[in-house]
Amino acid sequence: GENVEQHPSTLSVQEGDSAVIKCTYSDSASNYFPWYKQELGKGPQLIIDIRSNVGEKKDQRIAVTLNKTAKHFSLHITETQPEDSAVYFCAASIGANNLFFGTGTRLTVIP
Amino acid sequence: DVKVTQSSRYLVKRTGEKVFLECVQDMDHENMFWYRQDPGLGLRLIYFSYDVKMKEKGDIPEGYSVSREKKERFSLILESASTNQTSMYLCASRKFGEKLFFGSGTQLSVL
Repeated sequence: GENVEQHPSTLSVQEGDSAVIKCTYSDSASNYFPWYKQELGKGPQLIIDIRSNVGEKKDQRIAVTLNKTAKHFSLHITETQPEDSAVYFCAASIGANNLFFGTGTRLTVIP
Repeated sequence: DVKVTQSSRYLVKRTGEKVFLECVQDMDHENMFWYRQDPGLGLRLIYFSYDVKMKEKGDIPEGYSVSREKKERFSLILESASTNQTSMYLCASRKFGEKLFFGSGTQLSVL
């Protein structure tokens, strides 16, 4: 099955700096890549997703890039704010099949 | 907004007890999922259901069973709870092929 690796496991940045979280996947047939944010005491929430026919997608301060050749995708958060502090998960799937999740990155934004 | 409701936020049980975790969604989603979340391991799929009365094993089904008698409700059953089943349990649902929505989770402690 699919194997998704995520790095780093923890990340601390100063408020206003950028944060980048990277994931790699093993199955070249994977074509859907969502990112989830999990705040303390809550379930994961979808923040952005990308499909394999697109190389980059942006939503305000959040962007995701996909490199199909290298089989990796990244989450970029610009102008970080304290409320961005959370655990972030990447995931991959083939079409409507089940998602395979990375192990998570705990992001801390230092005011 | 989609609402996925898990019946308990915290649960403490004793070894050998039969444990029921309940999940209800209000958006007529066909697909429902149970994950467990452990530090450093990310989200691992226990069981899923594509529709009423249907169930499929995920990656770690051992020691668990599920029930989906009604479309909106998906129950996870620990037949005889063990200490290694202490974990955060997350329920999720989606329309087939669409985005996945999570509940807030149940933190289960087995003593």
